[in-house]
Amino acid sequence: GEDVEQSLFLSVREGDSSVINCTYTDSSSTYLYWYKQEPGAGLQLLTYIFSNMDMKQDQRLTVLLNKKDKHLSLRIADTQTGDSAIYFCAESGGYQKVTFGTGTKLQVIP
Amino acid sequence: SAVISQKPSRDICQRGTSLTIQCQVDSQVTMMFWYRQQPGQSLTLIATANQGSEATYESGFVIDKFPISRPNLTFSTLTVSNMSPEDSSIYLCSVELPQGDGYTFGSGTRLTVV
Repeated sequence: GEDVEQSLFLSVREGDSSVINCTYTDSSSTYLYWYKQEPGAGLQLLTYIFSNMDMKQDQRLTVLLNKKDKHLSLRIADTQTGDSAIYFCAESGGYQKVTFGTGTKLQVIP
Repeated sequence: SAVISQKPSRDICQRGTSLTIQCQVDSQVTMMFWYRQQPGQSLTLIATANQGSEATYESGFVIDKFPISRPNLTFSTLTVSNMSPEDSSIYLCSVELPQGDGYTFGSGTRLTVV
């Protein structure tokens, strides 16, 4: 079945850039997503990218997709303490089933 | 974009009892999805609920344990039946945003079974 993998933990200093990486196995992925989960909360869709795109930028967020290597990354510029959360990478193909990674816990050090 | 109201936000339940979780969407949606997030884990799809038909369950999940209702295009319930401590998780509902802009989630129900 489909598999999505992420590193479990990332620590950065406030003001630096954060890069969260994700790899996936499903070559038929159509959409790739990044979600944010703050403590005690549900999931918030941050951004998504179509599989025919290489890059998408949305304010402080930059998503890079290397379809050949099945590698997705999320860069957060000027990371703030409010960015501390768990970030989930997810992918979906043609049947609306979304497969999530294990989540990366981002810790921002003041 | 669709907004989901999910309740209860948390509950502590006795072993052997059942809990029904509700999700209300502020717009009509064809499909609603129910996920489980076990402690420290990622999300796992339980089932997909279409209005007017039986829900479709993923491998490892059965209707007797997780009955789902979908009476109309804006509402769904998930029941966790005959609970055991292993059912302690966060349960989330999700719908697809219009024009394929991804999926949005409810705030989740944090269930603890004692």
